[in-house]
This record gives sequence, structure tokens and C-alpha cells, in this order.
Amino acid sequence: GNSVTQMEGPVTLSEEAFLTINCTYTATGYPSLFWYVQYPGEGLQLLLKATKADDKGSNKGFEATYRKETTSFHLEKGSVQVSDSAVYFCALSDRGGSEKLVFGKGTKLTVNP
Amino acid sequence: GAVVSQHPSRVICKSGTSVKIECRSLDFQATTMFWYRQFPKQSLMLMATSNEGSKATYEQGVEKDKFLINHASLTLSTLTVTSAHPEDSSFYICSAGERSRAGGYTFGSGTRLTVV
Repeated sequence: GNSVTQMEGPVTLSEEAFLTINCTYTATGYPSLFWYVQYPGEGLQLLLKATKADDKGSNKGFEATYRKETTSFHLEKGSVQVSDSAVYFCALSDRGGSEKLVFGKGTKLTVNP
Repeated sequence: GAVVSQHPSRVICKSGTSVKIECRSLDFQATTMFWYRQFPKQSLMLMATSNEGSKATYEQGVEKDKFLINHASLTLSTLTVTSAHPEDSSFYICSAGERSRAGGYTFGSGTRLTVV
């Protein structure tokens, strides 16, 4: 079945540091890939997405590229801010984003000033 | 953008009582709604998928008689936790999808249920 594996946290960085959160997936067919962010006490917000190989999703300085050859969708940001502190979830869906999502376990990021 | 409203955000109930959680899509028609449960410091576990006008499809291990899901209209789905017990305490999140929209779901803000 489909699955998502993302690096375990927690990750602690200083402000303006470079961020990478690794995510790899296993899926049949051609899934869509997503990164969601969850701020403390809140629900999930879509951060970015990519629907086919080599697509790059980007938003708020975060980027992730859909790599079919390595089945990866790593999240990166060049310079993190304190406000980026949250839990980040990698996820996939197997049919254009209208079917159920399979989530990774989440990576907690803390950014210190 | 698409908005999903989930209520209540927090609820405390006594053991043995039932609690209803509502999830509304405010500006689009949600043909499919998903209900997730999130344990502390863990990922989201899909509980069930509901399509408007039909019975919900529950994931393996989820008790359908305990977690009643109703998706009576294209903008409203409800999750009722019946005869709640302390082990049902958790964070419940809904999300809504629309088949005409490619990619991404809109999530509610979640409900923190505490059963005492």
C-alpha cells in the first residue's frame, strides 16, 4: 500500500538557518504529494503541493520538488524564522488530490531567535 | 480560498455521554469529507471517508457504531462520538475535498475532545 516516511524530529534551528525535512514515499501509480503545516493547537494548513514528477511546489519561502526517480519530496527553506515553528507533515494522495491522504508521522520544527 | 469550519474547537464531556462535532465547507461543495484522529505527538489517522448522501467508509479498526458519521449535505458532515470514554480523548480533524478541484484538501481547525 501507499506510505510516507519522513525524518523524525524534533528539529531545532536558529533563526536564518537552512531547513531540510526529508520525505520519501511508496505508492502505486502517480500520486500527488503535499506538505502540510500544523501550528500549535490548530488544524492543518496546506503549505505546498506537486501533482507530477519534476514539479516544484513553493510557498512562503518553502520549496519541495517531486522526484520520481528517488521517490522523494524533501521540504527546504533557505532561511527559517521563529514563526516557522510548527509540525510539518508530508502526505500523498493517489488520485489527483481528491482521494484520501496518507500522512507521514510529522516533524516538529522549533526555530530559536 | 476554500474554508472549512469545524465546531466546537474544544469540548469536555463526561464519560458515557455523546459528543457531536460539525464540519462545514463554507464556500465550496464538499463531495467528500474525511475524518482524522490525531494522538499526541503522532500523525493523523484516517478514521473514515464520507461521501454526500451515502454511508461512510470506515478504516480498519474504527468502530462505526461508536463514531457515527453523517454527511447529509454537500456542505455539512458530522462526527458523533457515542458513549465517550477517556480513551476517546483526542484531537479530531475533518477535511473536505471537491472532485472538481485538483490537488489539496481543506482542513478544519480541529476539535480537542476531553472525556472525564
